[in-house]
Amino acid sequence: GAVVSQHPSRVICKSGTSVKIECRSLDFQATTMFWYRQFPKKSLMLMATSNEGSKATYEQGVEKDKFLINHASLTLSTLTVTSAHPEDSSFYICSARDLGQGKPYEQYFGPGTRLTVT
Amino acid sequence: AQKVTQAQTEISVVEKEDVTLDCVYETRDTTYYLFWYKQPPSGELVFLIRRNSFDEQNEISGRYSWNFQKSTSSFNFTITASQVVDSAVYFCALSEQGGNNRLAFGKGNQVVVIP
Repeated sequence: GAVVSQHPSRVICKSGTSVKIECRSLDFQATTMFWYRQFPKKSLMLMATSNEGSKATYEQGVEKDKFLINHASLTLSTLTVTSAHPEDSSFYICSARDLGQGKPYEQYFGPGTRLTVT
Repeated sequence: AQKVTQAQTEISVVEKEDVTLDCVYETRDTTYYLFWYKQPPSGELVFLIRRNSFDEQNEISGRYSWNFQKSTSSFNFTITASQVVDSAVYFCALSEQGGNNRLAFGKGNQVVVIP
């Protein structure tokens, strides 16, 4: 149980275009999802927290208009990188939390999406 | 504010040697959780262990063992008799109850096991 998927796993896009990354909880309802960014040989940096049906909470320094997050259902959150530039190239990882399990500290991670902007 | 420090960036060991990864954390919460994750070259995070702040028992799982010491705010991880498949980046992370359980990751330890 507790499987989280991400799609696509890898994407290459041209500078100036937008890219959408999906994060799905396959066998549980994710009341909260988190989006992380990881640069090569670096740690995971939390970008934002999204709660189903409400606006995402962004971490300091993360541009809300640049990284649009939508959590429209209990099983799906999307991250859209708008007007992508080469510096947005990174590994994006989502995680999901199922508060119904009574374990607010438990996060289940997706496999990640590698974005390359040319 | 929460903070996790993993001082060693890259560690190389010869196969069958033991390797210990240090993790030191800072928190003002009395209730918190500590985690270790493994990230192989594929990139997917693999959960290894979770420990809550009220449980200071050490744990052993196969070749992996963890030493949690609240007195020194440390949660160290040891791989015994390392194997090539252990080559990966290992992250220590902290989740505070008061911080909406957001995870703060350390910088990671790149472990290279040389055959």
